[in-house]
Amino acid sequence: GAVVSQHPSWVICKSGTSVKIECRSLDFQATTMFWYRQFPKQSLMLMATSNEGSKATYEQGVEKDKFLINHASLTLSTLTVTSAHPEDSSFYICSARDFLLLATSTDTQYFGPGTRLTVL
Amino acid sequence: LAKTTQPISMDSYEGQEVNITCSHNNIATNDYITWYQQFPSQGPRFIIQGYKTKVTNEVASLFIPADRKSSTLSLPRVSLSDTAVYYCLVMPAGGGNKLTFGTGTQLKVEL
Repeated sequence: GAVVSQHPSWVICKSGTSVKIECRSLDFQATTMFWYRQFPKQSLMLMATSNEGSKATYEQGVEKDKFLINHASLTLSTLTVTSAHPEDSSFYICSARDFLLLATSTDTQYFGPGTRLTVL
Repeated sequence: LAKTTQPISMDSYEGQEVNITCSHNNIATNDYITWYQQFPSQGPRFIIQGYKTKVTNEVASLFIPADRKSSTLSLPRVSLSDTAVYYCLVMPAGGGNKLTFGTGTQLKVEL
């Protein structure tokens, strides 16, 4: 159980185009999903918190108009990188919290496999 | 959120026990300690979580002293496939939202 998938696993695009990345919780409901970005040899950096049915909360320094997040259902959140540029090339990872485990002590987040974005 | 400090890297050989220590001096009363493992180009994977004393599962053991200002992840008899980055995180129980990843420890296991 507790599987999170991401699609696509990798994408190459031209500068100026937009790219959408999907994050799905396959066997549980996730009212909250998180988006991270990881550059080579660096740690994960939280970009935003995605709440089902409401606007995402972005971390300081993350442009909300550039990284559009939609969490339309309890099992799907999408991240759209708009007008992508080479500096947006990175490894994007989502995670999800199991709605049913919210009240327990094991507040575990389940991570997706990540999406490698390369902007030419 | 409590800040964590762990070694940047560690080297080991197959079959050895590896202990990775994490410092979290400002841990709060309701914080839990969680360890994740990350392989290159993959998302982090939950390893173990604990509050105090010792927790053991099929993958690792977690030792937490009484003052809870540090914790040690113990990997018994490591293999080449345990080469990965290991992250120590401290988070509140039941309501913790944000996960703040530190630098992690790059464990390299050799023959």
